[in-house]
Amino acid sequence: EIVLTQSPGTLSLSPGERATLSCRASQSVSDFLAWYQQKPGQPPRLLIYDASNRATGIPARFSGSGSGTDFTLTISSLEPEDFAVYYCQQRSNWPITFGQGTRLEIK
Amino acid sequence: QVQLQESGPGLVKPSGTLSLTCGVSGGSISSSKWWSWVRQPPGKGLEWIGEVSLGGSTNYNPSLKSRVTISVDKSNNQFSLKLSSVTAADTAVYYCAREVVGSTYFDSWGQGILVTVSS
Repeated sequence: EIVLTQSPGTLSLSPGERATLSCRASQSVSDFLAWYQQKPGQPPRLLIYDASNRATGIPARFSGSGSGTDFTLTISSLEPEDFAVYYCQQRSNWPITFGQGTRLEIK
Repeated sequence: QVQLQESGPGLVKPSGTLSLTCGVSGGSISSSKWWSWVRQPPGKGLEWIGEVSLGGSTNYNPSLKSRVTISVDKSNNQFSLKLSSVTAADTAVYYCAREVVGSTYFDSWGQGILVTVSS
């Protein structure tokens, strides 16, 4: 099973700042990695798929990069609605696995 | 836009079987070939349970495989999850989700249903 390790566990930033979230895989997943945003009481929302492709309706301030074992989700300028928990997910190997999440909180 | 809705008992006794159904509305279940279940224990991360195809093929997480059955009912636009021999560790919010065509990413999710395992 591929283990995804996200860092940091919690990120404290202010609106307007740039956020950089990391996801590291225990073995190569090529570019078969997605990012999700989850707000309290809501299901996850697909943001990025195949490492760098924005899902339908996702604002351009969200971008993804990386391949192999190291991936990054960048939010260029934080909006108030961006404060949430973010998860990465790989589909390279069975079973599908998720990272443990990064909580993005308002500083 | 397709909508998914989980339904089933919110309380299951230990050693019993958890049974949930995911209804697909606003579109056809044929909008995707594969459909999944994902769970999230309170305050914790996401765990993929398994998936079913429109043809009834399945793939399960090995950690749950011996206890899980996922099936599809195309005529009623729904798919289902059964998890047997449940314990308190199975207490979680259970989500159904649609897989993006041609990949195993999830682009539509139900709101989730909290299932508590307790006597």
